[in-house]
Amino acid sequence: DARVTQTPRHKVTEMGQEVTMRCQPILGHNTVFWYRQTMMQGLELLAYFRNRAPLDDSGMPKDRFSAEMPDATLATLKIQPSEPRDSAVYFCASGSYPGGTSGGNEQFFGPGTRLTVL
Amino acid sequence: AQSVAQPEDQVNVAEGNPLTVKCTYSVSGNPYLFWYVQYPNRGLQFLLKYITGDNLVKGSYGFEAEFNKSQTSFHLKKPSALVSDSALYFCAVRDDTGRRALTFGSGTRLQVQP
Repeated sequence: DARVTQTPRHKVTEMGQEVTMRCQPILGHNTVFWYRQTMMQGLELLAYFRNRAPLDDSGMPKDRFSAEMPDATLATLKIQPSEPRDSAVYFCASGSYPGGTSGGNEQFFGPGTRLTVL
Repeated sequence: AQSVAQPEDQVNVAEGNPLTVKCTYSVSGNPYLFWYVQYPNRGLQFLLKYITGDNLVKGSYGFEAEFNKSQTSFHLKKPSALVSDSALYFCAVRDDTGRRALTFGSGTRLQVQP
């Protein structure tokens, strides 16, 4: 049963600390998305990668957030330094979009990382 | 630009009654439309999608959605609601160029009362 995995599932940290969240996309998927969910803002797209290359990170605060794909099986989202306003659930999703009409393919979401910054 | 509107923050329905969760969209070109469901403390799960063809799309757990091009709507429906359908529902749209990520609506909380 292929699924997106995320670690850690929960993270509590203090303001100013570095936070790294990891995602393992479904094997064979070429596109990885990072979302943030809060009560106030709902679901926000932070960044996404296709074939490990960043396509759009306009939703991400560049001064403290960074996203990378060191290889096809790992995506990371890093916050440094973290702030209380970063407290949210961070979701990773993956999908297969080889081109043509594949834009109709669905995304598969991981279980999320619940981040609390004190 | 592409956008999705879910005009209702919450929908309440009695078990056994039909339910409708509304969604309207705006996109350049032809839309790809999706519904996802989120249960508490879980990620989003795919329910159904419209790509092309028949305007009535059937999905998981007895849900269906009707694509209406003239009204730019993609409402989610179920003939008979279950208490276990209570969850947060998201509508999403992408244009058919495949170059953009999905744009999600703000979500509608469905509460089914026994």
